[in-house]
Amino acid sequence: AQKVTQAQTEISVVEKEDVTLDCVYETRDTTYYLFWYKQPPSGELVFLIRRNSFDEQNEISGRYSWNFQKSTSSFNFTITASQVVDSAVYFCALSVGGTSYGKLTFGQGTILTVHP
Amino acid sequence: SAVISQKPSRDICQRGTSLTIQCQVDSQVTMMFWYRQQPGQSLTLIATANQGSEATYESGFVIDKFPISRPNLTFSTLTVSNMSPEDSSIYLCSVAGIYEQYFGPGTRLTVT
Repeated sequence: AQKVTQAQTEISVVEKEDVTLDCVYETRDTTYYLFWYKQPPSGELVFLIRRNSFDEQNEISGRYSWNFQKSTSSFNFTITASQVVDSAVYFCALSVGGTSYGKLTFGQGTILTVHP
Repeated sequence: SAVISQKPSRDICQRGTSLTIQCQVDSQVTMMFWYRQQPGQSLTLIATANQGSEATYESGFVIDKFPISRPNLTFSTLTVSNMSPEDSSIYLCSVAGIYEQYFGPGTRLTVT
């Protein structure tokens, strides 16, 4: 069985601060995929990134960056110079490969509030 | 990419009744997934719907409560049967793409 843990329930920062959202996962499969989604107050899920288990390269997209470390089973997400529009719930999720691909196990989510 | 639409977007229903949620994808897909998000909670997979076969349900979800249809490769329905207030949730349809997992806008259900 798969498990995703987001230990930070809520984070509050002031605009322009950097913030890191933690994600730790558990799986016995060697092929798996890690995801991050943003859910703003409007409710829709916004896809941010997918990483497969064979690609440990860190990724940067604008103010967003992701650090994938298989040694610690972590896939952390950093927002640099946070903005009020970053306020949302962020979910980390895991899917194994093969016939189970698409069956996501979600973490409990981290509520990020960015104050002006 | 895939664009997913759901109907209705929201509904308020009385306990004991049933609601059928429709999910339409703009491309043919083998598997469609139904997720539930209870208020203030994370998302949980309900079932996987394959065209031409019975849906596969996750632990804690049963066909009598959440019957699913998958008549073709672009469409699926999820019925929430004999509803109780505990069924108040957002129900989301999802499909797996090559590079991402797509989600519909969700159906926000309130049971009174």
